[in-house]
Amino acid sequence: DARVTQTPRHKVTEMGQEVTMRCQPILGHNTVFWYRQTMMQGLELLAYFRNRAPLDDSGMPKDRFSAEMPDATLATLKIQPSEPRDSAVYFCASGWDSNQPQHFGDGTRLSIL
Amino acid sequence: GENVEQHPSTLSVQEGDSAVIKCTYSDSASNYFPWYKQELGKRPQLIIDIRSNVGEKKDQRIAVTLNKTAKHFSLHITETQPEDSAVYFCAGYGGATNKLIFGTGTLLAVQP
Repeated sequence: DARVTQTPRHKVTEMGQEVTMRCQPILGHNTVFWYRQTMMQGLELLAYFRNRAPLDDSGMPKDRFSAEMPDATLATLKIQPSEPRDSAVYFCASGWDSNQPQHFGDGTRLSIL
Repeated sequence: GENVEQHPSTLSVQEGDSAVIKCTYSDSASNYFPWYKQELGKRPQLIIDIRSNVGEKKDQRIAVTLNKTAKHFSLHITETQPEDSAVYFCAGYGGATNKLIFGTGTLLAVQP
């Protein structure tokens, strides 16, 4: 059963530190999405890639967040510097397009102290 | 852009009863509407989806209906079981923005 793999599953760090989250999409999927989930805001789309090219990052705070896809098997989301308000669960999902089924990873639960 | 509203925010039913969750969307060009189930501490999982050229779709105890004129779609769960307890999210694909926009979720509690 193919699955999206995210690492780490949990991350606790102090504000100001750099945080890197990684995602391995399902083999063959050409679209990768990064979502943030909080109680207050629900599921928010931060950025997504198709065929490794960034298509939309309008949901991401540009000054501190960056998303990349160095190859077809790895997507990264970085926060530098991190702030307490960044505490959330970050999900990666992959699929064939925005209007096709998206398969979510288990998420990274991030706590910024 | 697309806006998706979901009701109710919480729903409690007795085991064996039916549950209905409703969503409305704003973008008349939207053409794809998935539903996700998220158990506590777990990832969202796709349970059913529907496209705008179909009015209803069923999968065992789960069904989704779509009314394009009124711009709303609903999830129906029949013969509910305790394992159906979870948060359910609807979503709509906004063609203009090329994004999937999620509703705010419905916490379903099935009482044994």
